[in-house]
Amino acid sequence: AQSVTQLGSHVSVSEGALVLLRCNYSSSVPPYLFWYVQYPNQGLQLLLKYTTGATLVKGINGFEAEFKKSETSFHLTKPSAHMSDAAEYFCAIAPTGGGNKLTFGTGTQLKVEL
Amino acid sequence: SQTIHQWPATLVQPVGSPLSLECTVEGTSNPNLYWYRQAAGRGLQLLFYSVGIGQISSEVPQNLSASRPQDRQFILSSKKLLLSDSGFYLCAWSPTIYTEAFFGQGTRLTVV
Repeated sequence: AQSVTQLGSHVSVSEGALVLLRCNYSSSVPPYLFWYVQYPNQGLQLLLKYTTGATLVKGINGFEAEFKKSETSFHLTKPSAHMSDAAEYFCAIAPTGGGNKLTFGTGTQLKVEL
Repeated sequence: SQTIHQWPATLVQPVGSPLSLECTVEGTSNPNLYWYRQAAGRGLQLLFYSVGIGQISSEVPQNLSASRPQDRQFILSSKKLLLSDSGFYLCAWSPTIYTEAFFGQGTRLTVV
């Protein structure tokens, strides 16, 4: 079975500072990995995804993530935080061996302070 | 383009009452469909998924059920709601089994 672990349920950064949201995965087969963002009382929006190929993946709103197999990690970063980035972020994993039952982490609430 | 509709946006129901949440997808055929529940501090839990009409897989035992009467329609139901059924329910679809899922706007259910 595959799983993801998000370290830190709450992260606070200053506007303009680096955003780093951590995600580690566990999977017996090469995974597909995703980051989603959720604004209050809304559905989830895909930020970026890793399937195969380049391990540094760029997404929307200036976010990027790097797949590191040796570290079983897929951390989300953004060089400079903006107030509009305040939201909840979810890491997710889907098995490549069959099915698309996305398994989500418990989420990280990002707070951006002036 | 494809769109997903989920309603209602909010719902307050008494304990023991029935539930019906509906989700429809436009602009695609034979999508994979999903119901997730999001409880405070517990991330997203997959409740049901469907790969075709009448084909429903349940991920967790509960007093909820799901049905897919049409290709692009997915319904979440309960005969008698419990307080523990409160949460944010999200419908999602994916075009194939190897792609990301696209989410509806969710339904905030409060059982009182």
